[in-house]
Amino acid sequence: GQNIDQPTEMTATEGAIVQINCTYQTSGFNGLFWYQQHAGEAPTFLSYNVLDGLEEKGRFSSFLSRSKGYSYLLLKELQMKDSASYLCAASDSNYQLIWGAGTKLIIKP
Amino acid sequence: ETGVTQTPRHLVMGMTNKKSLKCEQHLGHNAMYWYKQSAKKPLELMFVYSLEERVENNSVPSRFSPECPNSSHLFLHLHTLQPEDSALYLCASSPQGGEYSPLHFGNGTRLTVT
Repeated sequence: GQNIDQPTEMTATEGAIVQINCTYQTSGFNGLFWYQQHAGEAPTFLSYNVLDGLEEKGRFSSFLSRSKGYSYLLLKELQMKDSASYLCAASDSNYQLIWGAGTKLIIKP
Repeated sequence: ETGVTQTPRHLVMGMTNKKSLKCEQHLGHNAMYWYKQSAKKPLELMFVYSLEERVENNSVPSRFSPECPNSSHLFLHLHTLQPEDSALYLCASSPQGGEYSPLHFGNGTRLTVT
């Protein structure tokens, strides 16, 4: 079956760095997405990786290893506003999105 | 403003009621989606419309009935719901279905079935 695993909850300190991991098993692969969702709000697109390696976008970076079925989202210089849920989703051979349950990130002062 | 607007934001309904959720997108996208989001569970895709034609129906109970009158509007008609249908219902759109097409989500309708 198709599956996405990511931690349920993580806690980090303001100003620090945090890495949110995501492992996936899909029938075929057409890329991996990360979304951010603040409580009571819409998920918003953060990044898309289809090739191996690191994509950097300001304070956020996303990494993909296709051979390991693994991705992570790296958040640097954490701010209180980064407290949110982070959703990982993999696109399978039919471009269907397989979603993880999300990682709730709590930032402490 | 996300470009995708959902109404109402909150809805409480009894099991015998009939109600409708509305979604409107102002992004010129061709594909629209309904998702169900329950606490601590992955997003569940319910319906997909591409150019106003339904292309996906993931074994959703018939008490949920979608309608897409044009590429900018999407409805989800609800009737005789069950308490387990209580969840956040998210509408999304994308430029086209499939391929590399990030989704643009609305803020959702928080549905409570009593």
